Amino acid sequence: AQSVTQPDIHITVSEGASLELRCNYSYGATPYLFWYVQSPGQGLQLLLKYFSGDTLVQGIKGFEAEFKRSQSSFNLRKPSVHWSDAAEYFCAVAPGGGSQGNLIFGKGTKLSVKP
Amino acid sequence: EPEVTQTPSHQVTQMGQEVILRCVPISNHLYFYWYRQILGQKVEFLVSFYNNEISEKSEIFDDQFSVERPDGSNFTLKIRSTKLEDSAMYFCASSDRVENIQYFGAGTRLSVL
Repeated sequence: AQSVTQPDIHITVSEGASLELRCNYSYGATPYLFWYVQSPGQGLQLLLKYFSGDTLVQGIKGFEAEFKRSQSSFNLRKPSVHWSDAAEYFCAVAPGGGSQGNLIFGKGTKLSVKP
Repeated sequence: EPEVTQTPSHQVTQMGQEVILRCVPISNHLYFYWYRQILGQKVEFLVSFYNNEISEKSEIFDDQFSVERPDGSNFTLKIRSTKLEDSAMYFCASSDRVENIQYFGAGTRLSVL
């Protein structure tokens, strides 16, 4: 069955430190891949997406993600975390190359930022 | 920036009651979705809607659930007879193409007592 795994439930990093949030997916073909962020009381905001082409994609707020087909991974990175990045981060997959509308989400990783 | 609007932000209801969750998608979007997130669990797809009909639904979306686009702007999710396990955050999303980005609302927290 198609699935998305975010192995880290909760991560704490110091402000200014680098960040990597892991995401692995289980799907035969290359799906469309997304990272969303949810701040308390807010909806899901798209950080970045991968459809095809360059495997390193840039997003908003200084985030980037790298698609690695061999590892079925789409990890999210940021070189220097800001306190305002504290939120919950969701990796999502659109199977069928997006021709199938529904998104499959991981369980999310909650990010805490220490001053 | 256009956004998806959901009302109410929090709905409390008694078990067995009907609830309607409302969403106003982005105005030029054609594809509409409902997802839910039970506390502590992942966001799960419920249903997608296009051209005034359901295009896909998950096994969660049983006969107790229905969706409707009653006019040109609203998109609603109705739960006919709520159960305790329907307590969750419900998210509406919309996109302009099926393969394009889905924009999410802030969600409606449904509490069934």
